[in-house]
Amino acid sequence: DVKVTQSSRYLVKRTGEKVFLECVQDMDHENMFWYRQDPGLGLRLIYFSYDVKMKEKGDIPEGYSVSREKKERFSLILESASTNQTSMYLCASNSQGRDTEAFFGQGTRLTVV
Amino acid sequence: SQKIEQNSEALNIQEGKTATLTCNYTNYSPAYLQWYRQDPGRGPVFLLLIRENEKEKRKERLKVTFDTTLKQSLFHITASQPADSATYLCAPPGYSSASKIIFGSGTRLSIRP
Repeated sequence: DVKVTQSSRYLVKRTGEKVFLECVQDMDHENMFWYRQDPGLGLRLIYFSYDVKMKEKGDIPEGYSVSREKKERFSLILESASTNQTSMYLCASNSQGRDTEAFFGQGTRLTVV
Repeated sequence: SQKIEQNSEALNIQEGKTATLTCNYTNYSPAYLQWYRQDPGRGPVFLLLIRENEKEKRKERLKVTFDTTLKQSLFHITASQPADSATYLCAPPGYSSASKIIFGSGTRLSIRP
């Protein structure tokens, strides 16, 4: 059974804290993604990685950074958490190719207080 | 920049009827388009993919069409059931990179008994 696992289901952090969201996939996928989902705005791409140590900005990268040191792991970092980063964060992966489906993790609901 | 619009934020229909969801895209011509289902508090799950040279694709009670002239995809659920209630997302590849997957804001479908 294929799996994308996010390290936390729920997280509460204080404003200004550095926050790490971890994602691990067991499918040997080249591509990994971080999205955030907010009511009425759908899923918005934060960052995308197509290989180890390679990354591309998505539509809303401001306030975030990412790290991909190993193929199976993709981390999202909030350098200094702010209340407007309260959201549902979703990690996904897929194999390289023009039309491959994405597999999602269960999501991390982050609240910044 | 490319834009994806799912026309209805919410759709309520009677059990047994056919649900039809619309996805319109502008400013580019994707080579394919995917549809996902998302249940509350969970990550999206892949349903179907349709390519630009395919007019229609079916899977059990699901049917997807792709009209490259109208720049529109329609997603149909026939003989709808309360268990089909969920949010449905259309997802074409990104304009700048086909490996990226971008999502529409989704249509929340409710099937009443």
